[in-house]
Amino acid sequence: QKEVEQDPGPLSVPEGAIVSLNCTYSNSAFQYFMWYRQYSRKGPELLMYTYSSGNKEDGRFTAQVDKSSKYISLFIRDSQPSDSATYLCAMSRRNTPLVFGKGTRLSVIA
Amino acid sequence: NAGVTQTPKFRVLKTGQSMTLLCAQDMNHEYMYWYRQDPGMGLRLIHYSVGEGTTAKGEVPDGYNVSRLKKQNFLLGLESAAPSQTSVYFCASSYWTGDSNQPQHFGDGTRLSIL
Repeated sequence: QKEVEQDPGPLSVPEGAIVSLNCTYSNSAFQYFMWYRQYSRKGPELLMYTYSSGNKEDGRFTAQVDKSSKYISLFIRDSQPSDSATYLCAMSRRNTPLVFGKGTRLSVIA
Repeated sequence: NAGVTQTPKFRVLKTGQSMTLLCAQDMNHEYMYWYRQDPGMGLRLIHYSVGEGTTAKGEVPDGYNVSRLKKQNFLLGLESAAPSQTSVYFCASSYWTGDSNQPQHFGDGTRLSIL
């Protein structure tokens, strides 16, 4: 079993929809959870950073971590065509390199 | 403010040739990383460095070497390129606080084709 599992999609939604992106993981020692967004032919850029469990909100984006279920989510409200990108989850234990999911490709159709 | 800069952006090599990819960061970050990204495989860590003069192996280190002679630079070398090394290579850097993992900042990648 891979340490981090992420559905690659592609996921296609209409503009204005609520998008839910998810990752599951197997290593209960993971403490740091991140979501990156990657546009075509660009490097990943950090969207959300969460330590341990709980929710974090930033504008239209909400990150949730459920350590008991080993499950993290990213919600995008009022999705826009500019949100079309690949979304990568990443997580790690303290002082160890990040482990990335394979990414979910999202298309928001105007 | 450049952030993480990768050189070159594109390169085509013949099998057996050697080359060096350069990564430079201007954020005074301690940690630097090299990844490769292939379709369906996600980002895989090749090597990383926790400080000047130190390097460590990641998930897929075979066929690559690295050096961190200066804090701001991290070099990735291919001694004898193979077609399996055709990929997009990303460099990243991050702070070290001693107490928590900090997010990584990425460059825009080097697209490498080995014929």
